[in-house]
Parts: sequence; structure tokens; C-alpha cells
Amino acid sequence: DVKVTQSSRYLVKRTGEKVFLECVQDMDHENMFWYRQDPGLGLRLIYFSYDVKMKEKGDIPEGYSVSREKKERFSLILESASTNQTSMYLCASRVEPGFTEAFFGQGTRLTVV
Amino acid sequence: AQKVTQAQTEISVVEKEDVTLDCVYETRDTTYYLFWYKQPPSGELVFLIRRNSFDEQNEISGRYSWNFQKSTSSFNFTITASQVVDSAVYFCALTQGGSEKLVFGKGMKLTVNP
Repeated sequence: DVKVTQSSRYLVKRTGEKVFLECVQDMDHENMFWYRQDPGLGLRLIYFSYDVKMKEKGDIPEGYSVSREKKERFSLILESASTNQTSMYLCASRVEPGFTEAFFGQGTRLTVV
Repeated sequence: AQKVTQAQTEISVVEKEDVTLDCVYETRDTTYYLFWYKQPPSGELVFLIRRNSFDEQNEISGRYSWNFQKSTSSFNFTITASQVVDSAVYFCALTQGGSEKLVFGKGMKLTVNP
């Protein structure tokens, strides 16, 4: 069974904190993605990675960075968390090339207070 | 640029009704891939179907069917004889050829009432 695992289901952080969201996949997939999901806005792409140490900005990268040091792990970093980053964060992975389906983790509900 | 539009935000039907979820896409590429995903109340997105731009054949899988029309840039999803278990948020998504970027629409919440 394919597996994408996000390190936390729920997270509460304070404004200004540095926050790490971790995602691990066990399928040897090249591509990994981070999305945020907000009511009425759907899934918006923050960053994606198509190989180790390779990344590309998605549609809403401001306030975020990512790290992919190993193929199986893709981290989303909030350098200084703000309340407008309170959201559901979804990680996904898929094998190259782009016609394959993506597999999603269970999501991390982040609340910034 | 690639873009997916799901104009309907929410639909409510009674069990056994048929319902069609609309998806309109924009891409400058002649090669692209379209997807539908389901997000049940539990939250995890589940892949339903993939279609590439060279295959306009419609597909049926049980009560689910998909109508792909390049002329109108649409990839619509129909659920026949809906059931309560179909209640979920449904997303349409697009990848352009030559890109690994996967872009989603805003989703459509379907509620099927008994």
C-alpha cells in the first residue's frame, strides 16, 4: 500500500515561531507537493519538488520555504508563523512524469495563535 | 498558465438523483492531463480518474462517468443514482505536459441527503 505520512495531524503554534511540517513517502516518488486548503479557496499549491534538492514555487510561496534533502522527505517551513497561515496543509507525492496520479497524506491542521 | 475552474461550490441532492460536477480548464499546452479527486469527510484525498489530452473517450466506472470535451475545455463528472456515501468535496486537477506542477480547482461540495 502506498503511503504518504504527515508528521502531525493537529498543530498549534504561536505567532512568530518557526514551524516545520514534515512529509514522508515510501513509494520512491520523484515529485512531492505541499498545498494549503482553505474554505472557498480549494487546494492552492505552495511549493513542489521534482527531485532531491530541487524545488519550484507554486502559486502562493510567500511566507514559506521547503527542504528536500532526501528523496522520501519533503519539509514545509514557516519561517515566522502568522495567523493568516492558519490552515489545513496537505502533502502529496507522485512518480514522474506528470500523467500519474498523486497520493495524499492525511493533512495537518495548523493553528497559529 | 494552467488553471482549473469549478464554478459550482456546493450542491445538495436527494439520494438516487443524478448529479453532474463541472470542470473547465485552461492550458496553453497540447499535451496535458486531467484528474478528479474525492475528499470524504475524513479528509484524505482519493484519486478517481486520470485522462490525457489525446484520449477524448468518455469513461464509465459503475455509477461514475466522465465526459471529456476538448472543444469546450471541459472534463465533467457525473454520478448516477447518487448515494449518501457520495457526499464529499470533489476536486478537478490539471498538469500541463512538460511540467510537474499539479494544479487544483476550488472544489465542489456535494451533499447527498437520504
